[in-house]
Amino acid sequence: QKEVEQNSGPLSVPEGAIASLNCTYSDRGSQSFFWYRQYSGKSPELIMSIYSNGDKEDGRFTAQLNKASQYVSLLIRDSQPSDSATYLCAVGDSGYALNFGKGTSLLVTP
Amino acid sequence: DGGITQSPKYLFRKEGQNVTLSCEQNLNHDAMYWYRQDPGQGLRLIYYSQIVNDFQKGDIAEGYSVSREKKESFPLTVTSAQKNPTAFYLCASRDRLNTEAFFGQGTRLTVV
Repeated sequence: QKEVEQNSGPLSVPEGAIASLNCTYSDRGSQSFFWYRQYSGKSPELIMSIYSNGDKEDGRFTAQLNKASQYVSLLIRDSQPSDSATYLCAVGDSGYALNFGKGTSLLVTP
Repeated sequence: DGGITQSPKYLFRKEGQNVTLSCEQNLNHDAMYWYRQDPGQGLRLIYYSQIVNDFQKGDIAEGYSVSREKKESFPLTVTSAQKNPTAFYLCASRDRLNTEAFFGQGTRLTVV
């Protein structure tokens, strides 16, 4: 079984702060990495994808990948109350399987 | 509008009954997926299919069955062998290998 691990949280940060979300995975052959945001009762929506080592920035979001450490992270700068949601890490293997972590609950307090 | 349509949005099943959840996509995506989500939990992979007439078991396939007779459709049957089927079921599709998955709105199944 290919594991994707996340801290369940809740992670609480004040408005305007940086939120840091972390994810580790077990399959060294993994090739694609995604962060999704899910509001309660809704389906997940894609925030970021990353495929190679290093940082990838998109607006207030930065994804970081370290394949040697089997670690992927998401930074949210200038956090807003509307960012309060569950953040899911997803890892694609060398085939078509796409496995998700349990998600980290983020609460941004005004 | 391109997208993934799951139906019904809410489904109630009596114990011992089989039920089928529908998933249709008009994105011309090759791969389709079924996930189960329990309260406070992440998504667990039930089945996935990368091509018509072929599918693979995920981590929790027991008590479920699927078919992929058309590229656009990937129905999931929850059989009476699934002892605890109450959950939120999500269907997703991907264009090709290593691309992001897009999700339908989900079906909430409750056993009564």
